[in-house]
Amino acid sequence: AQSVTQLDSQVPVFEEAPVELRCNYSSSVSVYLFWYVQYPNQGLQLLLKYLSGSTLVKGINGFEAEFNKSQTSFHLRKPSVHISDTAEYFCAVKKGAGSYQLTFGKGTKLSVIP
Amino acid sequence: EAEVAQSPRYKITEKSQAVAFWCDPISGHATLYWYRQILGQGPELLVQFQDESVVDDSQLPKDRFSAERLKGVDSTLKIQPAELGDSAMYLCASSLRTGTDTQYFGPGTRLTVL
Repeated sequence: AQSVTQLDSQVPVFEEAPVELRCNYSSSVSVYLFWYVQYPNQGLQLLLKYLSGSTLVKGINGFEAEFNKSQTSFHLRKPSVHISDTAEYFCAVKKGAGSYQLTFGKGTKLSVIP
Repeated sequence: EAEVAQSPRYKITEKSQAVAFWCDPISGHATLYWYRQILGQGPELLVQFQDESVVDDSQLPKDRFSAERLKGVDSTLKIQPAELGDSAMYLCASSLRTGTDTQYFGPGTRLTVL
């Protein structure tokens, strides 16, 4: 079974500074990878996903992530954060085509400091 | 933009009472998911429907939880009787099909059991 580890439970960062949220996964088969964002008392919104092709994936709100198969990582990055980016971010993995089960990490709380 | 609807947004109940949550997926989405998200954790799949059929309910505590999607459109998740440990956010998501299709999440129902 696949699993997801988000290495940091909380990440404080100053406004306009860059940020990286780390995600590692374990799976014996090829996977699809996702990053979701959750604002307080709201559902999850998809930021970006990696299915195949280019290992650098661009998403909404200026976020991007890089799939690294050798390191089994899918870290999320943004070059300059805004106050509005304060939220919880979840990395998720799904086994390859035909699978439906999304396995989530425990989440990383990003706090942007003015 | 079409959204997944859920109601109620918040529910407070006493233990041993029955509670029910409702979800209306995005129109045309054949696959519907119910997740439970305990505070500080990522969502965990409870049950998945393909049209009106249950595809996976292996993580659903069937002694007290039930879910149905009678006409293959909206869905209800019920807990009877509620226990203190059921306090969590219950999220509904839908996708066109399974596989690579993105799961779109509703705003969730926050359940507090006293």
